[in-house]
Amino acid sequence: NAGVTQTPKFRVLKTGQSMTLLCAQDMNHEYMYWYRQDPGMGLRLIHYSVGEGTTAKGEVPDGYNVSRLKKQNFLLGLESAAPSQTSVYFCATTRDRGRYEQYFGPGTRLTVT
Amino acid sequence: QQQVKQSPQSLIVQKGGISIINCAYENTAFDYFPWYQQFPGKGPALLIAIRPDVSEKKEGRFTISFNKSAKQFSLHIMDSQPGDSATYFCAASRAGGGNKLTFGTGTQLKVEL
Repeated sequence: NAGVTQTPKFRVLKTGQSMTLLCAQDMNHEYMYWYRQDPGMGLRLIHYSVGEGTTAKGEVPDGYNVSRLKKQNFLLGLESAAPSQTSVYFCATTRDRGRYEQYFGPGTRLTVT
Repeated sequence: QQQVKQSPQSLIVQKGGISIINCAYENTAFDYFPWYQQFPGKGPALLIAIRPDVSEKKEGRFTISFNKSAKQFSLHIMDSQPGDSATYFCAASRAGGGNKLTFGTGTQLKVEL
């Protein structure tokens, strides 16, 4: 079992470019989350999904879009990257509404120049 | 609005000493309080968690103390070891609404020989 995987591990973008981060899980979990981690600010929730075909906004959703077309995948898109989106992005999953423990992926380090 | 406040931002402890990290929350609807441990270059991983119906939970060298009336909880690491050097995040969640976690800003712990 790979658990939660994230692709890519590192990426450098120029301002205005677009990209998609992929989160994949093989644990059959219902809930999936995207966070960004910045120094001194902890982890902040961008978007989340409570099941295939559902998405919802978190604390800092502006500038990002998400899709959950398949249960095992949760995609995070940046349509027009900005330097303020330089961060480490983490995906996480939880089994279902009866469970709270979140399992995190290894992260994607994104730099926008 | 920061709903979970964590202190200190950084902590240096001698090997064998006790590490103490504190968190305070505002939302009385929170009913799950986990601590996550993160090593450099890795995603956070659940360390220990507590529900508000108990005042203390111990797992090995790690203990959570919970004070519901004061809306505070803390992590105690007994007999701290160099391998405990990591960043620790407290968090809080409530039932429903996607089981979202609200994280504190993190504490960077260094255990010196």
